Amino acid sequence: QVQLQESGPGLVKPSQTLSLTCTVSGASITSGNNIWSWIRQPAGKGLEWIGQIYSGGSTNYNPSLKSRVTISVDTSTNHFSLNVSSLTAADTAVYYCARGLFRYLDCWGHGTLVTVSS
Amino acid sequence: DIVMTQSPDSLAVSLGERATINCKSSQSILYSSNNKNYLAWYQQKPGQPPKLLFYWASTRQSGVPDRFSGSGSATDFTLTISSLQAEDAAVYYCQQYLAAPYTFGQGTMLEIK
Repeated sequence: QVQLQESGPGLVKPSQTLSLTCTVSGASITSGNNIWSWIRQPAGKGLEWIGQIYSGGSTNYNPSLKSRVTISVDTSTNHFSLNVSSLTAADTAVYYCARGLFRYLDCWGHGTLVTVSS
Repeated sequence: DIVMTQSPDSLAVSLGERATINCKSSQSILYSSNNKNYLAWYQQKPGQPPKLLFYWASTRQSGVPDRFSGSGSATDFTLTISSLQAEDAAVYYCQQYLAAPYTFGQGTMLEIK
């Protein structure tokens, strides 16, 4: 059974860079059909797709965040990561990692709350 | 970006009754090469991550009760719960995955009347 677990700081200061990691178990991060994604959800609001990385390393990002976001894969540890730079309070949200099968998201992590505040 | 609009924003339905949620895309998400609609439905309960219900608009994910059904094509889609159960109270989201960014609808909150 595939499981994903987000980890990272719960509190980050404005203008700093957020780094989150998603550890994958039960599946290889290099498996060809898998697409690894990040989604976020501000408190009481809807879902925002941040971006994805294919097992081969190619990426797609949401243009609303594109210049600030980087998603990468670490095959040696079977995890993938999200970096978001130049943080503001608007980046405060629950951040989810998820697996995409042909792009629909069939398996999600539990989410991690990130608060941007000084 | 493809804009996904759900209706209604919220609804209250009695136990055992039918619940219907609509999702409209700003452009067709039917890919002509494979005749598939690139639409997914998710259910989210408080404090939990979203759970995949349907993909390709009408393919039920394993383990989803058959009282749930997904339908529609091109720009208009529907999620139907034929006989509402207490555990179906949740927020439901549609998402298109034809073209990045893979946008979500704003969500529909389903409550038990």
